Amino acid sequence: GQNIDQPTEMTATEGAIVQINCTYQTSGFNGLFWYQQHAGEAPTFLSYNVLDGLEEKGRFSSFLSRSKGYSYLLLKELQMKDSASYLCAVRDSNYQLIWGAGTKLIIKP
Amino acid sequence: DVKVTQSSRYLVKRTGEKVFLECVQDMDHENMFWYRQDPGLGLRLIYFSYDVKMKEKGDIPEGYSVSREKKERFSLILESASTNQTSMYLCASSSGDIVSNEQFFGPGTRLTVL
Repeated sequence: GQNIDQPTEMTATEGAIVQINCTYQTSGFNGLFWYQQHAGEAPTFLSYNVLDGLEEKGRFSSFLSRSKGYSYLLLKELQMKDSASYLCAVRDSNYQLIWGAGTKLIIKP
Repeated sequence: DVKVTQSSRYLVKRTGEKVFLECVQDMDHENMFWYRQDPGLGLRLIYFSYDVKMKEKGDIPEGYSVSREKKERFSLILESASTNQTSMYLCASSSGDIVSNEQFFGPGTRLTVL
C-alpha cells in the first residue's frame, strides 16, 4: 500500500528553527509537495521537490532524498503566524497526490 | 489573484437529503479535484476531472457523484447524505502543466449530516 508518515504534532519556540519530517512509501515517485494549512482555512502551496537536495525559499526550506523515501521541511526564525498544520504529499506513478495526515505545529512565545 | 471558490462554508443537512457542493475556479485550469478532510487522516480524493465532461473516481467515490459541464465549475453531489459523510470538503484545481502541478484549494465546505 501507499503510505505517508509525518509526526502528528510538534511544538517550537518563536524565533527558533524546526524540522518537520516526512517519510513515504508509494508506487512510483513524481515529486513531493509541502502545503501549509491554517486552522479552518484552505491548504496553500509551500514547496515542490522532485530532485534530491535542498530547495530554499526565504525562511522555509525543503529537502528530499528519493533513495531514502524521506523529506523534511525546515522553518527558520519562527513566527507566531507559522502556527499551522503542514501537509506532505507525494505524487505517485499515476500522477495522483498521496497525502500525509499533516503535522500540527504549535509556536510558543 | 488566483481563486477557487466554494458555494458554502458551512452546511447542515439531514440524512437522505441530496446535497450539492459547487466549486468554481477562475484560473482556466484543466484539472479539478474534490477531497474530503477528516481529523487524523490525510486528504482523501473523491473524484477528479481533467477536462470538461470528463470524470475519474478517486480513492473514495462511494456515495458521491460529480458533474463538470463547464471548465470552471466542478460540482460534487451526495445522492443521499449519510452521517458518515459529515466532513470538510475541499475543492482544488491545477493547470495541465505536469512539471509542477501545484494545486490551488478553495476555502472548504464543512458539511454536517444529522
